[in-house]
Amino acid sequence: KNEVEQSPQNLTAQEGEFITINCSYSVGISALHWLQQHPGGGIVSLFMLSSGKKKHGRLIATINIQEKHSSLHITASHPRDSAVYICAASRNYGGSQGNLIFGKGTKLSVKP
Amino acid sequence: DAGITQSPRHKVTETGTPVTLRCHQTENHRYMYWYRQDPGHGLRLIHYSYGVKDTDKGEVSDGYSVSRSKTEDFLLTLESATSSQTSVYFCAISEGQGGGNSPLHFGNGTRLTVT
Repeated sequence: KNEVEQSPQNLTAQEGEFITINCSYSVGISALHWLQQHPGGGIVSLFMLSSGKKKHGRLIATINIQEKHSSLHITASHPRDSAVYICAASRNYGGSQGNLIFGKGTKLSVKP
Repeated sequence: DAGITQSPRHKVTETGTPVTLRCHQTENHRYMYWYRQDPGHGLRLIHYSYGVKDTDKGEVSDGYSVSRSKTEDFLLTLESATSSQTSVYFCAISEGQGGGNSPLHFGNGTRLTVT
């Protein structure tokens, strides 16, 4: 079992729909990251959170540390939101600098 | 956008040849990383650097070496390219300890094909 699991793997939505992407992890973490990868391939960091909720525009990220679960929500989805969304967990044991574990991504397609 | 430039953006090379990919940053960030991205896998760490001449291995480091002689440049070398190293390679930087305390900023990737 992967240490970071995302669901669904693929998601198709109609413009305007509310979208939820889930991320579950099995390791202790110091932070959880949400990334966006557009069809052109570039990767952008959307959120880094260790508790509670963060909001940026139409995007909301939440995390429940006790349940080891995070969600990314997109309100009023738009075709330009079509991308792969990746969650990454940062292990909370010290020392290793590059100790991010990445999920395999959720491919979102928003139809007009 | 963070100033990260990867070069080349695309490369085709033959099995057995050495290949060097370059990552250049203008942010003066301490931490730099090389990842590879393959279908069916999440991003996987190859090597990372926590300062000039300070580097360490990631989970998929076999067949790769790195060097960091200046803060701004992090080079990834495939000593003798193999077809299994066909992949998209991403460089990333972070100001603080990668992942835990600071967001990562990614370059645009290098698509490498080994024939």
